[in-house]
Order: sequence, then C-alpha cells, then structure tokens
Amino acid sequence: GAVVSQHPSWVICKSGTSVKIECRSLDFQATTMFWYRQFPKQSLMLMATSNEGSKATYEQGVEKDKFLINHASLTLSTLTVTSAHPEDSSFYICSARPGGGETQYFGPGTRLLVL
Amino acid sequence: AQSVTQLGSHVSVSEGALVLLRCNYSSSVPPYLFWYVQYPNQGLQLLLKYTTGATLVKGINGFEAEFKKSETSFHLTKPSAHMSDAAEYFCAVSGGNQGGKLIFGQGTELSVKP
Repeated sequence: GAVVSQHPSWVICKSGTSVKIECRSLDFQATTMFWYRQFPKQSLMLMATSNEGSKATYEQGVEKDKFLINHASLTLSTLTVTSAHPEDSSFYICSARPGGGETQYFGPGTRLLVL
Repeated sequence: AQSVTQLGSHVSVSEGALVLLRCNYSSSVPPYLFWYVQYPNQGLQLLLKYTTGATLVKGINGFEAEFKKSETSFHLTKPSAHMSDAAEYFCAVSGGNQGGKLIFGQGTELSVKP
C-alpha cells in the first residue's frame, strides 16, 4: 500500500518551454502533497505544500509563477515548470500524505534536463 | 523550530558488519521521526518511523531505530550489512505546527564493502 507515482520519470526540453510533472497517489487519498527538488549529492529541498482544492503554499525563495502547482483532486497534484531554463534542471520528487496521517510517501522522482 | 543533524556524510562498513547511522534532532514539540532510504535515481522509501509508544521501532530490511528523548537521538542500526544496503539514508523530523512538513538531515551515504 501507499504507492505514489510520478510521470514522466525523465524529461528533456528546450529552454523556454514548459514542462508538467504529475504526481498520483495510487491507493490512498492524499489531502496534502509536497514537492521537493534535489540537487546531486544533496538532501531534499521543499518547494511547496499542496492541499487539495486550495492554493499551494510555497517556501521562501521559490517562485510561485515559475513553479505552478495544482492539486485538483485527492489523488493528483501537478507541478508545471514554466519557461524552463538550464538552471531548472534537477531531480523533482513529490510526496503524498494520507488524510489524518503523519507519514509522507514519496514518488520515484522526475529528472528534468533543460537544454 | 525543528532541525536534524546526521553525523557523517559517508559511512563505510564491511558486508556482515554492524550498520550504525547517527541522527540527532532538535524539536520544541514531541517529534515524529522517520528514516528514509534512497537508491540512485529513485525516490525515497520509508524504512521506519516513530510517532508515539514503543521507543524501539523495527522497519523493513532488518533495520531498527531507537528514540532516545534524553539524547535527542534516533540512530538507525542493522546487525549485519548486505551489499544491497548501499544507498543514501535520510533522517527526518516533523510534528507540531509545521503543517506536516518534513525537516530532513543532510543524508548519509552508506557503502558496503565485500
């Protein structure tokens, strides 16, 4: 149980284009989802917290207009990197927390390469 | 505020030897504590967690951890390392009014020598 999927697992795009990453909780309902960014050999950096049906809460220093988050249902959250640039290349990981629970379950991650 | 410190960014053990990965936390409220493992180019997998109750918690793959409030520690151990245990390990804390946010340590890379 508690499986989280991400799609795509790999994406390569040209500078200036937008990329959408999906995060799905497959066997539970997630009232809260989180989006992280991870640089090589580093820990996870929380980008934003997403609650179903409401606006995401972004961490300090994260551009909300660049990283658009939508949590339209209890099983799906999306992260759109708008007008991507090479410095946005990174490993993006989502997690989902069941309603009333304290544990976050993580997706397999999406590696983004912007050329 | 909460924080996590993992002592040692890299730990190397021989196959069959004891694994000990250290984690100390700081929290002004009763903490929830977690250990996650990350294999290369993958997401994080929950190894074990402490919320309330028994302070010695057992997880998957033979790992366990003990919550010691007096020492503000939550060290991860495994009696006998396997080659497949080689990975990055993250300790994390949540609780209080953080909105369920996880505060991660810097991570410890475990290498297992044959």
